[in-house]
Parts: sequence; structure tokens; C-alpha cells
Amino acid sequence: EPEVTQTPSHQVTQMGQEVILRCVPISNHLYFYWYRQILGQKVEFLVSFYNNEISEKSEIFDDQFSVERPDGSNFTLKIRSTKLEDSAMYFCASSMTGWSGNTIYFGEGSWLTVV
Amino acid sequence: GIQVEQSPPDLILQEGANSTLRCNFSDSVNNLQWFHQNPWGQLINLFYIPSGTKQNGRLSATTVATERYSLLYISSSQTTDSGVYFCAVGGTGANSKLTFGKGITLSVRP
Repeated sequence: EPEVTQTPSHQVTQMGQEVILRCVPISNHLYFYWYRQILGQKVEFLVSFYNNEISEKSEIFDDQFSVERPDGSNFTLKIRSTKLEDSAMYFCASSMTGWSGNTIYFGEGSWLTVV
Repeated sequence: GIQVEQSPPDLILQEGANSTLRCNFSDSVNNLQWFHQNPWGQLINLFYIPSGTKQNGRLSATTVATERYSLLYISSSQTTDSGVYFCAVGGTGANSKLTFGKGITLSVRP
């Protein structure tokens, strides 16, 4: 079965540093997402992306966050100046279309620890 | 936005027992997915089931969309079934994001 792949699997960073999390969505998918899960809590939507634009973002996705599709295969989440509360598991996901009835496939996650 | 409630919050089973996990949602949905989060934090997609019934080995799921609930059945539970089970729904609006419940923590004891 095709997979969404994410790198790194775990990153430790100093507070205030910039972090880039990378994802390779499933190849024929057109919609991409980032979700976040703080330890022990539920998974929360951050942002959706289609046709090189943000489709929707949550209130969590403030000016510290940005997303980009720098080439035909990668999809990145950048946190400009990390804070302690950014420590979480970040999941990338993709779906074939943006129709709400499509299956959304998740990657294995990237643990981010801010110290 | 759409609300998702899962019950019970915690479940402890003896290996070999059966269980039913419930997901209630507050509005019509086009998408409902069940996930298993393993001890390494990975989200494993179990079912895409906005309506109807599906089975995959010892797991099966039923969604009754008109009554706004879904059930995940685990039969003959094994210790490897332990982890957190999430229900996530996508509404009928234009956007495709999923809204997750808080999860059900399942512990299967040998």
C-alpha cells in the first residue's frame, strides 16, 4: 500500500531555533495536511494545502508556522522560532482530492522536542 | 465545528476477550476513519467507514450515519491490540479536514 513518509522521525531542538519537518505524500494525491498531537492529547488539525496554496488553517497555525511544496514530491512544515509548547508529534497526511469523503492517509509522524 | 466523543475513555481487557469501542459525532459526515495509535506514536489506519459495516480479520466496524455513531469491534483481543484508538470524522462542508476524538486507551493483559 502506498505510504506517506516523514523525516526526521525525532528531532530535538533548542528553543528559538527554526525547524523544518519534511513529508513525501502519496504520489498521485493532491491535498496535503499537517496535524499535531501534544503528548497525551488528541490529534489536532493544523493546515491543509492544495495547488500551492493553504486551503484552510486552524487557530494553532499562527505566523510562526509555514508550509511549502518546494518541489514535486516534498511537503514541508517550518516552525520559525520554536517554543517549548511546540513539543509534539507532527503528522503529515495526504488525500487524493479535497472532497471531505476521501480517505486521508497519515505518515508515521515526527516527534519534535523543544528544550 | 463538529464534535466527536469516544467512549469509554479507558478499557482494560484480558487477552482473548471481545470489546466494543464507540464514537458519537454531532453532525452529518462524509468521512469517518478509525485509527490505532501504537506505542511508538504511529497512527495506523484501520477503517474508512462513513457508513455501513466492514471487517478486517478480528476487527470490524459499523457506522450508522443517520444516528451519528460508529462502533469498532475487537474480537479475541491480543496484547498487540493495546494502544489508543481514535475515531476521526470529516464533515459535509467544502473542506476535507478530519476532527479527532480524544481516543480510547485499550490495555490488553496476558
